[in-house]
Amino acid sequence: ELKVEQNPLFLSMQEGKNYTIYCNYSTTSDRLYWYRQDPGKSLESLFVLLSNGAVKQEGRLMASLDTKARLSTLHITAAVHDLSATYFCAVARNSGNTPLVFGKGTRLSVIA
Amino acid sequence: GAGVSQSPRYKVAKRGQDVALRCDPISGHVSLFWYQQALGQGPEFLTYFQNEAQLDKSGLPSDRFFAERPEGSVSTLKIQRTQQEDSAVYLCASSWAGGLNQPQHFGDGTRLSIL
Repeated sequence: ELKVEQNPLFLSMQEGKNYTIYCNYSTTSDRLYWYRQDPGKSLESLFVLLSNGAVKQEGRLMASLDTKARLSTLHITAAVHDLSATYFCAVARNSGNTPLVFGKGTRLSVIA
Repeated sequence: GAGVSQSPRYKVAKRGQDVALRCDPISGHVSLFWYQQALGQGPEFLTYFQNEAQLDKSGLPSDRFFAERPEGSVSTLKIQRTQQEDSAVYLCASSWAGGLNQPQHFGDGTRLSIL
């Protein structure tokens, strides 16, 4: 059974600092996703990672994937308040267009 | 273009009542997924469709839960004889059939409260 673990679950960081969120998963998968969720809102897609060594960047966020270690990271550079949200990683259960297994999420608060 | 639309946004029901939640996916999206999100948790898979075919319903918590997508577009998730533990946000997502690099697009969800 595929399990997805994120850490930390809660993160409070100062504006301007850097930090990394980790996502481990238990069985092989061909896709990993990162989503952002603001309180009371739906999930917004951030990144889709397909292959070993994949790295994608958007603004202050950079995601990477190591399929051999079954590990993805979401790195935050010079955090700003607008990044405060909950971040989820999700892994495809099977090949093709299949359901996702989500981690519990990392609740990020960026404080001045 | 329009995103995934869910209705109602909020639903309050008394224990024992039946409820129906609607999902209107993005036009042209073949796959449609239902997830349940408890407070402070990640979404958990319930069931999914490819066109009108329900390919997997292994995540439905009990036989009180039923989903359909009769014409391969709009889907309805029905919960019979609701219980308090059914209180959660129900999220619908849709995706295009081709291209592994396409994410699942989520609606705003229906927040269900059972009194």
